[in-house]
Amino acid sequence: DAGVIQSPRHEVTEMGQEVTLRCKPISGHNSLFWYRQTMMRGLELLIYFNNNVPIDDSGMPEDRFSAKMPNASFSTLKIQPSEPRDSAVYFCASSSRQGSEKLFFGSGTQLSVL
Amino acid sequence: QQQVKQSPQSLIVQKGGIPIINCAYENTAFDYFPWYQQFPGKGPALLIAIRPDVSEKKEGRFTISFNKSAKQFSLHIMDSQPGDSATYFCAARSPEYGNKLVFGAGTILRVKS
Repeated sequence: DAGVIQSPRHEVTEMGQEVTLRCKPISGHNSLFWYRQTMMRGLELLIYFNNNVPIDDSGMPEDRFSAKMPNASFSTLKIQPSEPRDSAVYFCASSSRQGSEKLFFGSGTQLSVL
Repeated sequence: QQQVKQSPQSLIVQKGGIPIINCAYENTAFDYFPWYQQFPGKGPALLIAIRPDVSEKKEGRFTISFNKSAKQFSLHIMDSQPGDSATYFCAARSPEYGNKLVFGAGTILRVKS
């Protein structure tokens, strides 16, 4: 199994630009999570989906952030417009079922907003 | 209530030493306490986990000690090796919050050879 696949690995953009991060969960997993990691705030859960439906988006920082999961094998996290304070590592994780105890994380996308 | 407080922030030990990382929580509804290990450039990976009805769990060189009354749990790494150098996160899951995992701030461990 290839694991959770995220793209791009690195993204450098200018303030005000739109950024789209992509995630392919492990095949057969039906829960998907987006986390953000920074030195100041650690690992924060932004949103999670179960069976492609957003269950809890209370961690999404503001309206500039949006996430979609159009099918079981693909999810996107979009930031529009991006700001320097959005610079962080964004992780996608999946699990085999809602409430499952084991999360499988991707390698993350390092986002730098200049 | 939703927080998990982790200490220390960083830790340096000699090879063969036993680093100990501590976590504390307030929410008694937490029902599952995993530890994740993260290497540079990688995502966190589940290392070991415990439930509150057990006081200790061992997997290889890794041991979790759990004190329910004190609302604390800790990770011990026996015979630590340079390859154990990584960032370690404790976490807790609350069924009252949709089974979301709440992570501690992380501990950067360096094992000197």
